[in-house]
Amino acid sequence: EAGVAQSPRYKIIEKRQSVAFWCNPISGHATLYWYQQILGQGPKLLIQFQNNGVVDDSQLPKDRFSAERLKGVDSTLKIQPAKLEDSAVYLCASSPRGATDTQYFGPGTRLTVL
Amino acid sequence: AQSVTQPDIHITVSEGASLELRCNYSYGATPYLFWYVQSPGQGLQLLLKYFSGDTLVQGIKGFEAEFKRSQSSFNLRKPSVHWSDAAEYFCAVGAENSGYALNFGKGTSLLVTP
Repeated sequence: EAGVAQSPRYKIIEKRQSVAFWCNPISGHATLYWYQQILGQGPKLLIQFQNNGVVDDSQLPKDRFSAERLKGVDSTLKIQPAKLEDSAVYLCASSPRGATDTQYFGPGTRLTVL
Repeated sequence: AQSVTQPDIHITVSEGASLELRCNYSYGATPYLFWYVQSPGQGLQLLLKYFSGDTLVQGIKGFEAEFKRSQSSFNLRKPSVHWSDAAEYFCAVGAENSGYALNFGKGTSLLVTP
């Protein structure tokens, strides 16, 4: 069974530029999560989708971050414009139904904002 | 406020020695508890989880954890550490009243010496 795929693996941009990350969850998984992991910290949930609907985006900085999950499968996370403090690893995870299911994580995208 | 605390930022153990990583939580609702491991350049991998039932949970790679409600703790243990166990370990907590989104601790970095 293929795992959660993310691309790109690395991205370097300058502040005020925009960037997008892509995630392909495990086939059949209804729930998709985006986490931000700043160096030296644990992952922090940015947004949670159940199929193509948003369940929780309370910690998403909506003035600059946006995310969508079209057709309830792939998802993109966008930052526009980027700030220095957005430098982090962005992790995508999926789970079969959500709730108490195990979340499976992708390898992450390491973003550096200069 | 809901919180997860991993009191030890770094731990060093000798190969073959026993290991205990601490995790304390503060949650109003019945928590669901997880331990994840993150090796350099790797995604997060689930070691074990506790939802209900037997408070001693067995996981992969010889790890176990014990849920102690009275102490609000979910400590991870391994009787004999291998060099390959060197990694970052994260405790995570979810609860029904927060949509089961995981709240991660800041992690404990494990170093294994010969």
